[in-house]
This record gives sequence, structure tokens and C-alpha cells, in this order.
Amino acid sequence: QITLKESGPTLVKPTQTLTLTCTFSGFSLSTSGVAVGWIRQPPGKALEWLALIYWNNDKRYSPSLRNRLTITKDTSKNQVVLTLINMDPADTATYYCGHSRSPLLWFGPWGQGTLVTVSS
Amino acid sequence: EIVLTQSPATLSLSPGERATLSCRASEPVSSYLAWYQQKPGQAPRLLIYDASNRATGIPARFSGSGSGTDFTLTISSLEPEDFAVYYCQQRSNLYTFGQGTKLEIK
Repeated sequence: QITLKESGPTLVKPTQTLTLTCTFSGFSLSTSGVAVGWIRQPPGKALEWLALIYWNNDKRYSPSLRNRLTITKDTSKNQVVLTLINMDPADTATYYCGHSRSPLLWFGPWGQGTLVTVSS
Repeated sequence: EIVLTQSPATLSLSPGERATLSCRASEPVSSYLAWYQQKPGQAPRLLIYDASNRATGIPARFSGSGSGTDFTLTISSLEPEDFAVYYCQQRSNLYTFGQGTKLEIK
């Protein structure tokens, strides 16, 4: 059974850096074709894809956030880390991680999500 | 960036009725389109992938169709648990989501 869980701060100040960790089980990010992505959802708004990392360390980023995002993996710990610099109140959202696998590369299952609020 | 436009924004129907949700892409995405269901306080769940394939465990009343720029999610006979928000997503060029359709009880 595949499970994922997001963790990190619930409150960050403007201009600070957000670091979120996705800890997963039931699959390995060293297996060919496997990927993990991050998606966020501001309160009451739509989903927004942020980043994706593949088993071979290939990475993809949302063009609108590319200069602020970094995604990395620690295969030995079954973790994927997302870093978002220069946080703004507009970055307040629930952040989700999701499993993906070639050739389909859709997201499922997802973690439960973690709400991050940006406020001074 | 490929923009996905979903319509209608809100759909009010009764249990047992047929629901038809639309998703239009700003440029062709072939069949690289998925549908997700999200209930309040929950993470999204994959329903349909590659435009017309049901994900594991998804009931047969859910079906998807379309290719290129125009796609449809159909729920043949609404069950009480189907009232939720539905999002389409493309993966033809990176990933983008539509703005969602809220399916509410009439």
C-alpha cells in the first residue's frame, strides 16, 4: 500500500524560506519510472502543480515559480523535500505531495496535505 | 503554459441525474488529460486518466471522453457521495489544472 505524508512548519513569515518534507512508504524512488510531485491549493481555490522529481533525479518545475523552488530526494530515507524561498502571503496554501509512475505519470495517491500560512 | 477551462463553475443536480462536466484546453493535449475528485477536507483522488481510463477502484458510472482540446467527464447516475469538486489536469506540457467544477445537490 502506497502512503505519503507531508510535514513542515504551519506558519512562516514573509520573506522566509519554506521547507516541506514528503515521507512515503510502499514504493521506492530508486525504482525506474517512479516520481513524486508537489501540488498546492490556496484556501477555497484551485490546485496548482509546483514540481516533480523522477527516480533518476530529473526534475521539472512550474514555470511561474521556477526561480523560487527546489525539489530534492533522499532515497535512503524515502523522502522528497520541497523548498520555496521568499515566502509571501499569496503562498498560503495546503501543500500536497503525490506519487506518480511512468508511463502514466498522473498523481495518485496523494498525501493528506499540510496547511502553511504566511503571516508576520 | 497550457490553460484548462472548466465549465460550468457550479452544477446543481439531484441524485440519480446525469452529470456532464467539461474541460477545454488552450492548445491540444492529445489524450493527456485526467480528472480528479476532491471532497471537503480531503486530498484529490484520481478518477480518470488518459482522457477515458478509469483509475483503480473507480465505479463504472464515471466515464471520460475527448481528445485534443475538448474533454468531458460524465457521471451516469449521481450517488450522494459524488457531490464534490472535480478538477481536470493535463500533462502534455508539464502539468496544469483547471479551476474546478463544484457539483452540488439541487
